[in-house]
Amino acid sequence: GNSVTQMEGPVTLSEEAFLTINCTYTATGYPSLFWYVQYPGEGLQLLLKATKADDKGSNKGFEATYRKETTSFHLEKGSVQVSDSAVYFCALSAKGTYKYIFGTGTRLKVLA
Amino acid sequence: NAGVTQTPKFRILKIGQSMTLQCAQDMNHNYMYWYRQDPGMGLKLIYYSVGAGITDKGEVPNGYNVSRSTTEDFPLRLELAAPSQTSVYFCASKEGDEKLFFGSGTQLSVL
Repeated sequence: GNSVTQMEGPVTLSEEAFLTINCTYTATGYPSLFWYVQYPGEGLQLLLKATKADDKGSNKGFEATYRKETTSFHLEKGSVQVSDSAVYFCALSAKGTYKYIFGTGTRLKVLA
Repeated sequence: NAGVTQTPKFRILKIGQSMTLQCAQDMNHNYMYWYRQDPGMGLKLIYYSVGAGITDKGEVPNGYNVSRSTTEDFPLRLELAAPSQTSVYFCASKEGDEKLFFGSGTQLSVL
């Protein structure tokens, strides 16, 4: 079946450090891929998405590229801020289904 | 625009009690979902609905029931609460290929 695997946290970085959170997936066909972010006490909200191979999603300085050859969708940001502290979830949605499969989430803590 | 509204935010139940978690959206979305979030386990799909009158099971439906009598509302029912149902519950909705909109969650403890 479809699945998403993302790196375990927590990830602790200093402000302005480079961020990478790894995400790999298993799916038949060509799913859509997403990164969602959850700030403390809130529900998840979409950060970025990509719907086909080689697409790059980007938002708020975050980027992720849909790599079919490595079945990956790693999240990156060149310079993190304290306000980026949150839990980040990788997710996929297979074409023709209504369901989303989420990874276990990676907690990011950015120190000033 | 309220988006997805969940009530209550917090609840403590005794084993064997029942309750309904409420979810309402004002975006006229056809697709609605219930997830539970356990620590370190990500989100697991409990039930989902593709429109009024249509519901289907997700990955972890046991111990829960849902109904979808209107487009706006998608309540989740726990009939006989068990400690294994202690979790944070999220309702979400979407339309077409648009993103999922999440509520702010219900933190449930069963003691």
